[in-house]
Amino acid sequence: NAGVTQTPKFRVLKTGQSMTLLCAQDMNHEYMYWYRQDPGMGLRLIHYSVGEGTTAKGEVPDGYNVSRLKKQNFLLGLESAAPSQTSVYFCASSPVQETQYFGPGTRLLVL
Amino acid sequence: SQKIEQNSEALNIQEGKTATLTCNYTNYSPAYLQWYRQDPGRGPVFLLLIRENEKEKRKERLKVTFDTTLKQSLFHITASQPADSATYLCALTSGTYKYIFGTGTRLKVLA
Repeated sequence: NAGVTQTPKFRVLKTGQSMTLLCAQDMNHEYMYWYRQDPGMGLRLIHYSVGEGTTAKGEVPDGYNVSRLKKQNFLLGLESAAPSQTSVYFCASSPVQETQYFGPGTRLLVL
Repeated sequence: SQKIEQNSEALNIQEGKTATLTCNYTNYSPAYLQWYRQDPGRGPVFLLLIRENEKEKRKERLKVTFDTTLKQSLFHITASQPADSATYLCALTSGTYKYIFGTGTRLKVLA
């Protein structure tokens, strides 16, 4: 099993550009999450999903959208990137409301 | 507001000693508390989970305590090794799908 994978690993965007981050898990987990990690801030929840076709806002959802059309995939979209969205983005999945399995992260730099 | 505090200063200890990391929280009634390990450039990896009605949990050289009166969890690594050097994160959930993470404590085990 690959576990949780994230695409791409690194990306540079210009302000105003859009992009989609892809998260895929092969563990048949119901719950999936998107976090961002910034120095001194810890992991902050952006959006999460409790099942296929469902999404909900987390702590810092502004400027992001998500979709969960298939159980194994959770997409994070930035419609108009801003320098404040420069961060490391982590996707996670979990079978129940306990252990989370994290992906390797995507480093995003917005100029 | 809900807050989790972990010692932001790095903890340096000698190989073979016991490392003790602290996680304090305020304005929160967690159902579960988890500890994760994060290596540079990688995603967090789950280590241990302890429930609100449990005082202590062990796994090999790891031990977690949970004091809901003090609103504190202690994470111990006994017989520490240089390979234990990493950042350790604590995370809380009240039983919903949302987790709150601390900023982490960096541990360095000196040979």
